Amino acid sequence: GIQVEQSPPDLILQEGANSTLRCNFSDSVNNLQWFHQNPWGQLINLFYIPSGTKQNGRLSATTVATERYSLLYISSSQTTDSGVYFCAVKETSGSRLTFGEGTQLTVNP
Amino acid sequence: NAGVTQTPKFQVLKTGQSMTLQCAQDMNHEYMSWYRQDPGMGLRLIHYSVGAGITDQGEVPNGYNVSRSTTEDFPLRLLSAAPSQTSVYFCASQRGQGLTVSYNEQFFGPGTRLTVL
Repeated sequence: GIQVEQSPPDLILQEGANSTLRCNFSDSVNNLQWFHQNPWGQLINLFYIPSGTKQNGRLSATTVATERYSLLYISSSQTTDSGVYFCAVKETSGSRLTFGEGTQLTVNP
Repeated sequence: NAGVTQTPKFQVLKTGQSMTLQCAQDMNHEYMSWYRQDPGMGLRLIHYSVGAGITDQGEVPNGYNVSRSTTEDFPLRLLSAAPSQTSVYFCASQRGQGLTVSYNEQFFGPGTRLTVL
């Protein structure tokens, strides 16, 4: 099956800093989503982005499908951005969403 | 819309007991899935359904059963609980498969935290 690798596994920032999270995948995909799991365990949809670039406030994401990676940008980070960020993909030939292991983000005041 | 709902939020079982985790969605989505999340890991697919009456196995199906008699509901049954099934369980739904985000975006319930002693 498809392999999904996220980096870095852990990231600690000071409030106000910017960061880039990366998701590499091993096969062609027609579905890629970024999720934020907050400290209470809730999974929140951030982006559905199988290709191209999207922005939502301080967050933006870019997927380069031909090179099999996606990037999530967080600007001017806030303590409420803390949690785990997951990338999940569905390969073009498949029917299942496969998750990476996540990036644990801690934003300190 | 309530979205995807799960009950119970928390559950403690003894080894060998059986139980059913409930999942419901009110968005008329065709696709529904069950995942488990273990500490420090991403989500792993247990079972999924592409429509009423149709189910299939995911990555870690052993010890779990599902059925899909209606579009709205997708219960997950633990037949004989084991400590290895201690985990957080998430149910998700998706409109279907297609070319647009409205079909492919997956939405998650709040999760059920299960402990098996």
